[in-house]
Amino acid sequence: AQKITQTQPGMFVQEKEAVTLDCTYDTSDPSYGLFWYKQPSSGEMIFLIYQGSYDQQNATEGRYSLNFQKARKSANLVISASQLGDSAMYFCAMREANTNAGKSTFGDGTTLTVKP
Amino acid sequence: DGGITQSPKYLFRKEGQNVTLSCEQNLNHDAMYWYRQDPGQGLRLIYYSQIVNDFQKGDIAEGYSVSREKKESFPLTVTSAQKNPTAFYLCASSGQAASSYNEQFFGPGTRLTVL
Repeated sequence: AQKITQTQPGMFVQEKEAVTLDCTYDTSDPSYGLFWYKQPSSGEMIFLIYQGSYDQQNATEGRYSLNFQKARKSANLVISASQLGDSAMYFCAMREANTNAGKSTFGDGTTLTVKP
Repeated sequence: DGGITQSPKYLFRKEGQNVTLSCEQNLNHDAMYWYRQDPGQGLRLIYYSQIVNDFQKGDIAEGYSVSREKKESFPLTVTSAQKNPTAFYLCASSGQAASSYNEQFFGPGTRLTVL
């Protein structure tokens, strides 16, 4: 079974609107971290936001927030007030503390296009 | 500035040749990783190293080799045994390999093309 599932290959959003990128995960490890990365067309991977499995509150970093629903194993990224520079590929990733030797597992990504 | 450097940015290889991709970090991170990315796809782990002089195979290690003689350096060799090496290669590092809360820092990548 895939550990990280991103069901939206591509998304479009109007500039200045909010957008939600979906991510579901699968693990039996009680301790894990969830990460979102942005990959612009240049190819570099940029870390955006982190959510720990024991964190009680949803993580926020500027315009990025993570809608963490532990029981549903869901960690959706919300980008508020979209900008043209947000157009990129977005990856959800998970690291398990006790299994898989702490390796990161990445989803297949979602390509976000912001329309002017 | 601290970060990860990869060289070269673009690399062309003839069939049957071995090539080595460089990855250097000055973040003082223990763990380093190599990923392969095919067009429109996610990242797949090739090799990772949690400490100097130690490394483990990832999900797609066949046809690749690595070394970790220094903390700062984790070069990847793409051997002739790798049948379809054309891809984008990303190197990453993190503070602790087995920690679930350390994000990974990535280099700018090397785009390898087999001619």
